Amino acid sequence: DAMVIQNPRYQVTQFGKPVTLSCSQTLNHNVMYWYQQKSSQAPKLLFHYYDKDFNNEADTPDNFQSRRPNTSFCFLDIRSPGLGDAAMYLCATSTSRGQGEQYFGPGTRLTVT
Amino acid sequence: GESVGLHLPTLSVQEGDNSIINCAYSNSASDYFIWYKQESGKGPQFIIDIRSNMDKRQGQRVTVLLNKTVKHLSLQIAATQPGDSAVYFCAENNQGGKLIFGQGTELSVKP
Repeated sequence: DAMVIQNPRYQVTQFGKPVTLSCSQTLNHNVMYWYQQKSSQAPKLLFHYYDKDFNNEADTPDNFQSRRPNTSFCFLDIRSPGLGDAAMYLCATSTSRGQGEQYFGPGTRLTVT
Repeated sequence: GESVGLHLPTLSVQEGDNSIINCAYSNSASDYFIWYKQESGKGPQFIIDIRSNMDKRQGQRVTVLLNKTVKHLSLQIAATQPGDSAVYFCAENNQGGKLIFGQGTELSVKP
């Protein structure tokens, strides 16, 4: 089945130690998104790619970076994780920007020790 | 560490009853709306969507109503089941390619 896959599902990292979260999709969608979701809160958009075009949200900290080497894969890099970066990180895809649903992966739960 | 979690609005219903979850959206220019269901530890799952040229759309056991005059969206779940227990988010697409999520409502179904 076509889907959005996130690895790992659970990630533990140390304060200040760089970490990379992965997302892949078999849907061949043009747009890929990264969201941060903290406990009992709505998902918060960090950035998205429309094909190779990167779109950063104005309030996304510089500590968060992303790479999209090809259509199928997108990575979230946290350069120096702080305790406040502990959250669920959700990847999503859509066929186009502006219309249509976004398909979400299962998320990666990040713990910072 | 992580900020203290907010308390989500909670709706508690008896199994078999109908549920109505409400949502107010912010942008009168938004033209597409989605309801997502999120179970604990999982990603949001699409339930139903509606475009702004409609005021009602029905799916299997779910109905979405859109009132553009007051910028209000509701999700009705018929014959609620224990498996419906989750957090429900409405989201508006603001024509900028972004989904703006509402606060979320936690639905609890009592057997």
